[in-house]
Amino acid sequence: NAGVTQTPKFRILKIGQSMTLQCTQDMNHNYMYWYRQDPGMGLKLIYYSVGAGITDKGEVPNGYNVSRSTTEDFPLRLELAAPSQTSVYFCASTQGYRYEQYFGPGTRLTVT
Amino acid sequence: DQQVKQNSPSLSVQEGRISILNCDYTNSMFDYFLWYKKYPAEGPTFLISISSIKDKNEDGRFTVFLNKSAKHLSLHIVPSQPGDSAVYFCAASARTGTASKLTFGTGTRLQVTL
Repeated sequence: NAGVTQTPKFRILKIGQSMTLQCTQDMNHNYMYWYRQDPGMGLKLIYYSVGAGITDKGEVPNGYNVSRSTTEDFPLRLELAAPSQTSVYFCASTQGYRYEQYFGPGTRLTVT
Repeated sequence: DQQVKQNSPSLSVQEGRISILNCDYTNSMFDYFLWYKKYPAEGPTFLISISSIKDKNEDGRFTVFLNKSAKHLSLHIVPSQPGDSAVYFCAASARTGTASKLTFGTGTRLQVTL
């Protein structure tokens, strides 16, 4: 039981490039989330999903896109990378309201 | 507008003593609160939670207290151990449809010294 896995662990992008951050969970959770954490700040919600085929915006969705075709996978897409997207990205999942969210190890992204 | 605030960026405590981490919130719709612990280069891990219908929840060395009238919660760690050195995040959620969306504080870095 691996929990929540994220790939890659690190990535450096040039301005304007695109990439997809991968997230997979093996706990059969319906709810999945993407957060970003900037230095000295808390985690901010980018997008979330309450089940396959259903996604919604969080607090900071601009510059990102998501899809949820299966229960297990919730990839995050950056289309035109900008320096403001330099951050650590965490994926999380939970079985429902009032249950704790389980987090992946994070992807550290630098855009230069 | 920061709805969950952790006003102490850092805290240093001697091993064996009590660590008290504080958190304030402004949104009265929050009804479930959680504490997460984070080591460098790892994702946050869940520590303990409390529902708004309770004022205290204990789990081993960790106790969370909730004061709804003051919109304040605190995490007590007794006794503190060197392995407790990490960043602690307070998080709160309010029911929004069927989703469970968390709002995080900025974290408090706890250092437990020998």
